[in-house]
Amino acid sequence: NAGVTQTPKFQVLKTGQSMTLQCAQDMNHEYMSWYRQDPGMGLRLIHYSVGAGITDQGEVPNGYNVSRSTTEDFPLRLLSAAPSQTSVYFCASSEPTGSGANVLTFGAGSRLTVL
Amino acid sequence: AQTVTQSQPEMSVQEAETVTLSCTYDTSESDYYLFWYKQPPSRQMILVIRQEAYKQQNATENRFSVNFQKAAKSFSLKISDSQLGDAAMYFCAYRSAGGSNYKLTFGKGTLLTVNP
Repeated sequence: NAGVTQTPKFQVLKTGQSMTLQCAQDMNHEYMSWYRQDPGMGLRLIHYSVGAGITDQGEVPNGYNVSRSTTEDFPLRLLSAAPSQTSVYFCASSEPTGSGANVLTFGAGSRLTVL
Repeated sequence: AQTVTQSQPEMSVQEAETVTLSCTYDTSESDYYLFWYKQPPSRQMILVIRQEAYKQQNATENRFSVNFQKAAKSFSLKISDSQLGDAAMYFCAYRSAGGSNYKLTFGKGTLLTVNP
């Protein structure tokens, strides 16, 4: 199993450009989420989804858009990139209930730089 | 809202010695989960250990153990016989046990250096 796959691993954007960070998991996990990691800030939740067709906002959702059309995929869209969105982005998934719900499986991260 | 505090931005330890990383949290809930994640230079987030709040017994995973003090809202990580591969950023995290709140709240991290 590949686990959680994020693409691209690195991306440089200019202010105002849009892009999509891709996230796919092959574990049939219902719960998926996006975090951003900034120096000295830990990881902060951007958006999450508890199943196909269901999404909700996390702690820092502004400037980001998500959709969940399939169980496997949970893309994160930057509508108009800003320098404040320079960060490392992590996608994670887990089971919603049971013992597996206690463990998030993370992707390898995507480093985004906005100039 | 829950908060997680890691008061040690950086720690260092000699190889083969023991080090303890501190974590405190604030919550009004009685049932929850606590985690330690390791992030090496590769950037991959790796689960080190987890603790269910309703269990009084401290969790242990090989050289890693926790000291869970529920009343004090403290959750420290002890690394015994430290190895060079233990060098990483360590994050403490909290998750509610009830409802549909699947959010993990992370501390800001502790950077652990292991000296040979």
